[in-house]
Amino acid sequence: GDSVTQMEGPVTLSEEAFLTINCTYTATGYPSLFWYVQYPGEGLQLLLKATKADDKGSNKGFEATYRKETTSFHLEKGSVQVSDSAVYFCALSDQSVRTDKLIFGTGTRLQVFP
Amino acid sequence: AAGVIQSPRHLIKEKRETATLKCYPIPRHDTVYWYQQGPGQDPQFLISFYEKMQSDKGSIPDRFSAQQFSDYHSELNMSSLELGDSALYFCASSLAGSLGETQYFGPGTRLLVL
Repeated sequence: GDSVTQMEGPVTLSEEAFLTINCTYTATGYPSLFWYVQYPGEGLQLLLKATKADDKGSNKGFEATYRKETTSFHLEKGSVQVSDSAVYFCALSDQSVRTDKLIFGTGTRLQVFP
Repeated sequence: AAGVIQSPRHLIKEKRETATLKCYPIPRHDTVYWYQQGPGQDPQFLISFYEKMQSDKGSIPDRFSAQQFSDYHSELNMSSLELGDSALYFCASSLAGSLGETQYFGPGTRLLVL
């Protein structure tokens, strides 16, 4: 079945460092790919998404490119801030089925220190 | 902008009791999803509804049931609660249309079963 694999955390960085969180996927159809962020004690917020190969999603300085050839959707940010500390979830929805249920990766905790 | 509303935000129950969680989707959204997130885990899809009909079913125990009402709000009914049901329960809503539509999550209901 469909699945998402994320790099394990926690990822610990100093402020202004470069961030990469790896995400790869397995899907039978043509998935849409998402990054959601969860701040402590809060719900899930959509960070960015891409619906087809070579699309780049971007928001708040974060970027991710849908790479079909490597089945990847890695999250990057050039300069992280302390306020970026959160858990990041990569997710997919499979366009080959009627519903768009999300399949999540295990999440990667990011900790940014001043 | 209006967001997804969930109630209650926190709930404490004893084993074998019942619980009802409510979800009010974003206005004009016609699809509702329920997810369960155990401590330190990724959200797992439970069930979804489109236009008041069940559209997909995931790893939802038989002790749980759900429905979507004419005003599109949804309720998740949980009976014979077990300790393992303690989790954060998210509702998400979307507007059906092109596949890969963004799901917007509510803040979640934190259920603790004692």
